[in-house]
Amino acid sequence: NAGVTQTPKFQVLKTGQSMTLQCAQDMNHNSMYWYRQDPGMGLRLIYYSASEGTTDKGEVPNGYNVSRLNKREFSLRLESAAPSQTSVYFCASSERRNYEQYFGPGTRLTVT
Amino acid sequence: EDKVVQSPLSLVVHEGDTVTLNCSYEVTNFRSLLWYKQEKKAPTFLFMLTSSGIEKKSGRLSSILDKKELFSILNITATQTGDSAVYLCAASAGNTPLVFGKGTRLSVIA
Repeated sequence: NAGVTQTPKFQVLKTGQSMTLQCAQDMNHNSMYWYRQDPGMGLRLIYYSASEGTTDKGEVPNGYNVSRLNKREFSLRLESAAPSQTSVYFCASSERRNYEQYFGPGTRLTVT
Repeated sequence: EDKVVQSPLSLVVHEGDTVTLNCSYEVTNFRSLLWYKQEKKAPTFLFMLTSSGIEKKSGRLSSILDKKELFSILNITATQTGDSAVYLCAASAGNTPLVFGKGTRLSVIA
């Protein structure tokens, strides 16, 4: 039982490049989330998916897109990376959208 | 707008001290209050509190919720260097995702 997994663990991009962060959970949870965490800013919600087939914007959605591929997988895409997107990205899942969340190990992204 | 405020932002104590971390919240249709511990990596779930006055305990950590005054505290007794972490508080409300505070950074020195 791996919980929430994320790939990659680290990534360096040049400004303007694109990439997709992958997330998968094996807890049969309905809801999944993407956060970014910056020093002094806490966890900020980018997008979430309350259930398979739905996605909603969070606090900081600009510059990102998401896909809920199936119940297990939720990906985050940066179409044209900017230095302001340098951050640690966490994926999380929960049984329902207002239940306790379980987090993946994070992806450290640097955009130069 | 829903919000969660934690205090202090950071704290340095010596091993063996007892610490109290605070979390106040203002959310619509409040459901529960959650505490997480974050060391160098991902946050890990500690407690969820739904009812006022009922203390949750796990070893040296305990937490209580006051739904009338809209706050929760997390106590850590006999602190150890392994307790050094950022402690996050989050409120569950209505049918929306958790609202997180910015965290309290606890440093325990030997």
